[in-house]
This record gives sequence, C-alpha cells and structure tokens, in this order.
Amino acid sequence: QKEVEQNSGPLSVPEGAIASLNCTYSDRGSQSFFWYRQYSGKSPELIMSIYSNGDKEDGRFTAQLNKASQYVSLLIRDSQPSDSATYLCAVRGGAAGNKLTFGGGTRVLVKP
Amino acid sequence: SAVISQKPSRDICQRGTSLTIQCQVDSQVTMMFWYRQQPGQSLTLIATANQGSEATYESGFVIDKFPISRPNLTFSTLTVSNMSPEDSSIYLCSVDQNTEAFFGQGTRLTVV
Repeated sequence: QKEVEQNSGPLSVPEGAIASLNCTYSDRGSQSFFWYRQYSGKSPELIMSIYSNGDKEDGRFTAQLNKASQYVSLLIRDSQPSDSATYLCAVRGGAAGNKLTFGGGTRVLVKP
Repeated sequence: SAVISQKPSRDICQRGTSLTIQCQVDSQVTMMFWYRQQPGQSLTLIATANQGSEATYESGFVIDKFPISRPNLTFSTLTVSNMSPEDSSIYLCSVDQNTEAFFGQGTRLTVV
C-alpha cells in the first residue's frame, strides 16, 4: 500500500464546474496536509495547507480533511482552463517525522 | 514565502559525467531538501542537507552518487555523479517555512 494515494486521472472537468480531487494516506499519525499544483515543466506550487479536521477555504479552493477516515480532498470551484495541471497531495508527520511524502498526483483537464 | 533560486534550469549531459546543481535561498534556513521527479512521476526525497553536518540520505540514494554540500544557511549543492540515462529527471531544491515546503524552479536534466 502506498503511503499517499491519489487517482492519477486525468480528471476532465467542464469550464465553470467543480473539480473534486481525493487523497488517502496510510499513516494515522500524519499531522499536516498540503495540496500543490504543478504545471507541466514547472515546479510544485503550494495552494493549500490544512492541519485540522473540517474545511478550509481560500478563494476558489476548498480543502477538506477527515483524519478518522485518513482522507483529504481538494475542491476547485468555477474551474478555469488555467487550472489544468497536476495536483499533488503531500503529507507530513507520523512515522515519517518532518519529511514530506507525496502522492502520485492527479492530472486535471478543464475543457472550455 | 522564501525565494529559492536554482541553477542550472536545464542541462543535457553526456553519460559518465557529473553535474552540480546549485540552490540559493534568500533567507537562512536550517534544512534544505533535495528531491527527484522522474518523468511522469511524483516527487521523491533524495536527502536532507543540514549546515555543518553530513546530509541524511533516503533509502535508495547514496552519497557517492549524489554528494551534497551545505556550506552555509542559505546555499546548497547537489551533484549527480557518473550519470546514466536513468538519471534523467527534474531535480528540485526545497525549504520549509513554518510547516510549509516551497520549491525552487527545478533543474531538468537529460543524460544522453
């Protein structure tokens, strides 16, 4: 079992719709959770961090964390073609300590 | 967030040679991290570089292949030694601010 799992996609979303991305993690002791956006040929860019159960909203992005289910998600509202990228879920804490463990990423395609 | 300058941004190298990648941060940081991202894959941590001590390498990565220097709190280098085509990847430098990780622009290495 991978430590951090994501559906590789591609997740195809019409422009203006909501994109829903999911991530599960295996280490119940994990404490910090992050979503990065990576455009092709570019480095990862942090878009959301979440540390406690519940929802956290920032602009068109909402991160949701459920530690009991070991599940973190990212919603992108009003998806735009510029949101087309790979979204990486990353987890810190637990047995890995301060190290950041990445999922495989979900490729999102927003179609005009 | 920290400004991280990484160079070169890309290079094409002959097999058997070595390439040194530089990472400069605009503020002092305790730890600097080096990642590898193979084509179509997610990020894998190579090593953690602390100033004044030997780097800590992850499983599957060794100092002879990936020597790291950390002469001060704002600078680090990663050398990819005796390169083979399998080393063709993006190499990324990262630093933490609070609990969040930020990345340099990456070095795209192609070994021919």
